[in-house]
Amino acid sequence: QKEVEQDPGPLSVPEGAIVSLNCTYSNSAFQYFMWYRQYSRKGPELLMYTYSSGNKEDGRFTAQVDKSSKYISLFIRDSQPSDSATYLCAMSASPGNEKLTFGTGTRLTIIP
Amino acid sequence: GAVVSQHPSWVICKSGTSVKIECRSLDFQATTMFWYRQFPKQSLMLMATSNEGSKATYEQGVEKDKFLINHASLTLSTLTVTSAHPEDSSFYICSARGVSDTQYFGPGTRLTVL
Repeated sequence: QKEVEQDPGPLSVPEGAIVSLNCTYSNSAFQYFMWYRQYSRKGPELLMYTYSSGNKEDGRFTAQVDKSSKYISLFIRDSQPSDSATYLCAMSASPGNEKLTFGTGTRLTIIP
Repeated sequence: GAVVSQHPSWVICKSGTSVKIECRSLDFQATTMFWYRQFPKQSLMLMATSNEGSKATYEQGVEKDKFLINHASLTLSTLTVTSAHPEDSSFYICSARGVSDTQYFGPGTRLTVL
């Protein structure tokens, strides 16, 4: 069993829709959670970083963490074509993020 | 701020040759740099962690004699793939971390070994 499971998609939604991306994990040592956006042939870009259960909002993005269920989500409101990318969840057991464990990524396409 | 660059962005080499990839933090000092490898449609896998002035720490299964890492300054780390073979073809990505806990990623280097 992988430590982090993420639906690879692909996921296609119309512009303006709400997108929900999810990851589950098995290692209870993970306490720090991140979402990265990766455009084709580019490095990942940090979108959200959180370490507590609950919601964290930043503009159109909301990160949700449920440690009791070992489940994290990223919601994108009012999705735009520019949001089309691969979204990676990542987790770490330490605040210094010595070792990030990534999900496989979900490929998202926003249809104009 | 927090920009990380990589050079080259892509490289093609013949089997048996060595290739060096540079990772630079452009506007901050990176006490720690990380090297990842990403195969098509797969996630990033950490290869090694390097601290400035120290030997790199390699993940299990990564050959330290094949993937040489040097972190000679607070803004530069290099990864040298020695005696490259076609199975080493991949997307190599570095990240850098300064005083904050955040890793900032470079744009990646696509290596193709013929």
